[in-house]
Amino acid sequence: GAVVSQHPSWVICKSGTSVKIECRSLDFQATTMFWYRQFPKQSLMLMATSNEGSKATYEQGVEKDKFLINHASLTLSTLTVTSAHPEDSSFYICSASGTGDLRNQPQHFGDGTRLSIL
Amino acid sequence: QQPVQSPQAVILREGEDAVINCSSSKALYSVHWYRQKHGEAPVFLMILLKGGEQKGHEKISASFNEKKQQSSLYLTASQLSYSGTYFCGKGGGGADGLTFGKGTHLIIQP
Repeated sequence: GAVVSQHPSWVICKSGTSVKIECRSLDFQATTMFWYRQFPKQSLMLMATSNEGSKATYEQGVEKDKFLINHASLTLSTLTVTSAHPEDSSFYICSASGTGDLRNQPQHFGDGTRLSIL
Repeated sequence: QQPVQSPQAVILREGEDAVINCSSSKALYSVHWYRQKHGEAPVFLMILLKGGEQKGHEKISASFNEKKQQSSLYLTASQLSYSGTYFCGKGGGGADGLTFGKGTHLIIQP
């Protein structure tokens, strides 16, 4: 159980393109999902918290107009990188937890999306 | 504030033991441990919530000290499959995501 699917797994596109990444919880409902970004050989950095039916909460320094998050249902959150540039190239990973206190729930990660902007 | 992990990296031979530490200047509500292999998503290992708690099985276990400011992950009789980067994450307040340490790179050699 507790499977999180992320799609696509790899994207290569030209500068200026907008890219949408989907994160789905396959066998459980996720009121809250999280989006992380990871540069090579570095830690995962939390970008934003995605809440079903409400606006996402962004971490300091993350541009909300650049990284659009939509959490339309209890099983789907999307991250859209708008007008992507080479500096946006990174590994983006989503995670989801079940119901209950998130501080003591394991987070289940998707397989990640490797984004390369040319 | 990011938890501090040590060591940054360790190389072992198969069958040897390793300890990875995760510390914070303030008491943590919870500490989460994950392992990530290159190019893959992190995989959940365990969560510790209570001061003095120990959890896991004989090969991979973890402890949380009484003050809840330090956690250690113990890898016993390491196997080649244990290679990867180990992250500790601190559970925040409310609906926060995790704040991860910088990771400990573990390489197991035959």
